Amino acid sequence: GAVVSQHPSRVICKSGTSVKIECRSLDFQATTMFWYRQFPKKSLMLMATSNEGSKATYEQGVEKDKFLINHASLTLSTLTVTSAHPEDSSFYICASPRGFGPLGYGYTFGSGTRLTVV
Amino acid sequence: GDSVTQMEGPVTLSEEAFLTINCTYTATGYPSLFWYVQYPGEGLQLLLKATKADDKGSNKGFEATYRKETTSFHLEKGSVQVSDSAVYFCALSESAGGTSYGKLTFGQGTILTVHP
Repeated sequence: GAVVSQHPSRVICKSGTSVKIECRSLDFQATTMFWYRQFPKKSLMLMATSNEGSKATYEQGVEKDKFLINHASLTLSTLTVTSAHPEDSSFYICASPRGFGPLGYGYTFGSGTRLTVV
Repeated sequence: GDSVTQMEGPVTLSEEAFLTINCTYTATGYPSLFWYVQYPGEGLQLLLKATKADDKGSNKGFEATYRKETTSFHLEKGSVQVSDSAVYFCALSESAGGTSYGKLTFGQGTILTVHP
């Protein structure tokens, strides 16, 4: 089935540095990628939607200059957390819809990235 | 905007007990409804879905029926196992039109723990 490979699975970085998270669709073309953030014991909150070849659409309250999203190809979408701070520590997940028709069978999720900023 | 409300957890059951996790939604159109499961240390997996009213999604002994009149999509399983221990998320997606895909809106998640 469709697979989205997300890397790294865990990363620890120092405050002020930037971290890049990659999501690759391995056996399908991901024209759209959703980026979610999951807080401990909380739900997934949509941060932004990226479409290949165009600018990402950010949800209200998400700083686009802090969370840079690039979707330069049909198989790769990246999220860069710039100038990370401890409050950015979280679990980040990407997801891509798959299938054809009004709605596909579902969405394929990456395995997530646990970011810890120290 | 769209929203999904799940029953508060955590839910703790004994093996072979009956499970119900309530989910209600608010949407402006005609959404598709999903249940996702997240096992410890793993990513989200689709458990089941329903795309229109009165559809019943089922998988691995779990079922949920799309009830438009009550805007609900409750998850049920007749006999839970220890291996069902996980976090369960109800979600909805409204089609963006044609063959486009809408974003997923999640409920807050329900932690299920099943004891032997």
